[in-house]
Parts: sequence; C-alpha cells; structure tokens
Amino acid sequence: SQQGEEDPQALSIQEGENATMNCSYKTSINNLQWYRQNSGRGLVHLILIRSNEREKHSGRLRVTLDTSKKSSSLLITASRAADTASYFCATDAIDTGRRALTFGSGTRLQVQP
Amino acid sequence: DGGITQSPKYLFRKEGQNVTLSCEQNLNHDAMYWYRQDPGQGLRLIYYSQIVNDFQKGDIAEGYSVSREKKESFPLTVTSAQKNPTAFYLCASTIGGHEETQYFGPGTRLLVL
Repeated sequence: SQQGEEDPQALSIQEGENATMNCSYKTSINNLQWYRQNSGRGLVHLILIRSNEREKHSGRLRVTLDTSKKSSSLLITASRAADTASYFCATDAIDTGRRALTFGSGTRLQVQP
Repeated sequence: DGGITQSPKYLFRKEGQNVTLSCEQNLNHDAMYWYRQDPGQGLRLIYYSQIVNDFQKGDIAEGYSVSREKKESFPLTVTSAQKNPTAFYLCASTIGGHEETQYFGPGTRLLVL
C-alpha cells in the first residue's frame, strides 16, 4: 500500500516561480525523504528530514515536516527548466515490521522556460 | 566509480518465458530492494533483502522471485506467472537501515512481445 500521497499530481509553472509539493502519510515515521526522477531514469535522493525536525534546507530546496498532521511539503525556489521531473516522498513506518520505504505516487513538475 | 548497475536497459519477454533482471552494487551496502513502476505511477515494492541469503516479500511479490547469494548482487526473475510484467523495474540499496537514503540504479524496462 502507498503510505505517502503527493499533491498535486501535476504542476506546471514558469521559470523563476516557486513550486510547492505536498505529501501526506498515515503512520508514525522515523524519517521522510524526497526523491527526484527524470523521465525514464532512476530516482535521485534530494533531502531527508527526521521526525524531530520541522524544517530543512538544501540549496533551493526547503522541506517542512508536521508530524501532528502527518504531512510534509517540498518547496523549490526560483525554479529552472532543469527542475522538470517527477518528485516523490518516501516514508519509513515505525512498528510495522516492514523494513522498507513506502513511496507516494509523485508530483510531475513541468517548468516552462 | 561506485554505484548501482542494472542490466539490460531494455528486455523483451515472450509469453510463458522467465526472464532475469540484473542488479549489482559496489557500494558495500547491506540492503537491496526491487521496485516496479508503471507509467505515471509511483514505486511499488516487490522484494527486499537486508543481508546475504535472506529476503522478504514486498507488496507485489506474486510472479517474481529473487536471490541474494552475494552482497553485491540481487537479481530479480520475472516468472511466467506474472501476467502483466510490462513496467519499469528499479533496483536500490542502502548502507544500513531501510530508513536511510536509498541509491537507485538506472532501471530496466521490460516489454512483452
């Protein structure tokens, strides 16, 4: 089952604008991660935020985590055409016996030059 | 270069045929994972292995089999029992626990003739 669900499913913006993607999940977690996938390629890790953290930055990326609402957001500032890709959140559920991440269905971001 | 390699890049399967997808890593990672991705969808977990000679079923293991005889190799066999095998298959690994960053291979696209 897919624990993480991204919103929106697709997003189209102009270069220079900010892009915000949201992720909701269902169970308690240790960490939440965001990955990027270019079309037809493998996933690339972007950022990991731990359950005791509320916000994390990496370059033009800003991730927030609200464990009370079981949600996270990924903000890409000053977007570029090269940011066009699909973005996935992934969670590890605590106390389920499952020793693997669960990925959401992704947000497809299109940045128009 | 360290990383994960998957071969072949494209694979064609005839009806009733078993095919094997290769996944090799030289990162000295303990855990390895196989995912299936259908067009426009997220990743679904097929099998995972935390140590050599041990593996667990994921969410969609039916019609697939794996082995983990060596730390660096985790081949996936798509059997004739998998009636809808056309998909993009991704292999990943983590250095230790499943909650940590996953490193992905470039993927294998499987098509049915």
